[in-house]
Amino acid sequence: QKEVEQDPGPLSVPEGAIVSLNCTYSNSAFQYFMWYRQYSRKGPELLMYTYSSGNKEDGRFTAQVDKSSKYISLFIRDSQPSDSATYLCASARRMTGNQFYFGTGTSLTVIP
Amino acid sequence: EPEVTQTPSHQVTQMGQEVILRCVPISNHLYFYWYRQILGQKVEFLVSFYNNEISEKSEIFDDQFSVERPDGSNFTLKIRSTKLEDSAMYFCASSGLATNTGELFFGEGSRLTVL
Repeated sequence: QKEVEQDPGPLSVPEGAIVSLNCTYSNSAFQYFMWYRQYSRKGPELLMYTYSSGNKEDGRFTAQVDKSSKYISLFIRDSQPSDSATYLCASARRMTGNQFYFGTGTSLTVIP
Repeated sequence: EPEVTQTPSHQVTQMGQEVILRCVPISNHLYFYWYRQILGQKVEFLVSFYNNEISEKSEIFDDQFSVERPDGSNFTLKIRSTKLEDSAMYFCASSGLATNTGELFFGEGSRLTVL
C-alpha cells in the first residue's frame, strides 16, 4: 500500500520564485504531517511539522494540510539557491515511537 | 549542537556475511529508530526501540535483522546474512519525549553495499 505519494520532480526554478511541493496520503489515521529536507549524502532534517489540518508558517516556508482531501503542501517563498535539496513529506499517527511514512522526495534546484 | 553519529559511513560486504551498523543517538533521547533508503527510493521504516525493547517494526524487519542497545550510548543494527537487496543507506534516528515536537534527528547514514 502506497501510504504517501509525492511527485519526484525534478523541479527547477529561478531564484526568487515561489515553489509548491505536494503530497497525498491514504491513511485517515495520520495526524502528523512533516516536511524534511535532505541534502546529497546526508540524513533528512526536519523543516516543519503540522498537526491535523491547517497552515503553519516559518519564515519563507508554509506547510499546509487538508485532511478532507488528504493533501499536504509546502510552499517556499523567495526561493534561494541554498534551498536546492530533496524535500521529503512524511506522515504518521503519532510523533514518537512509531513509523513515519515518507514520500519519494522531490528534487528541487533553485537557479541563481 | 547534539547530533546522531553513525559508523561506518560506508561498508562493503559479501553476500551472506553479517554486518553490524552502529549509532550513537543524542544523549537524552528515549526513542531510537532505524530507517533505510535504497538508491532512488523512499526512506523506509525498519524499527523503533524504546525502553530496551522494540516498540514497532515493519515487514522489512524480518528475522535476519536485530537491534540492540548494548550500553547506555550505542544502538546497533545487525543484519545476520546479508542479501544483495540489503544494499542501501541505513539511517539511525532518535527522538525525545512526546511532549516536545517529537522531531526525529537523523544521522548521516551508513551506506551498505552487498556484493
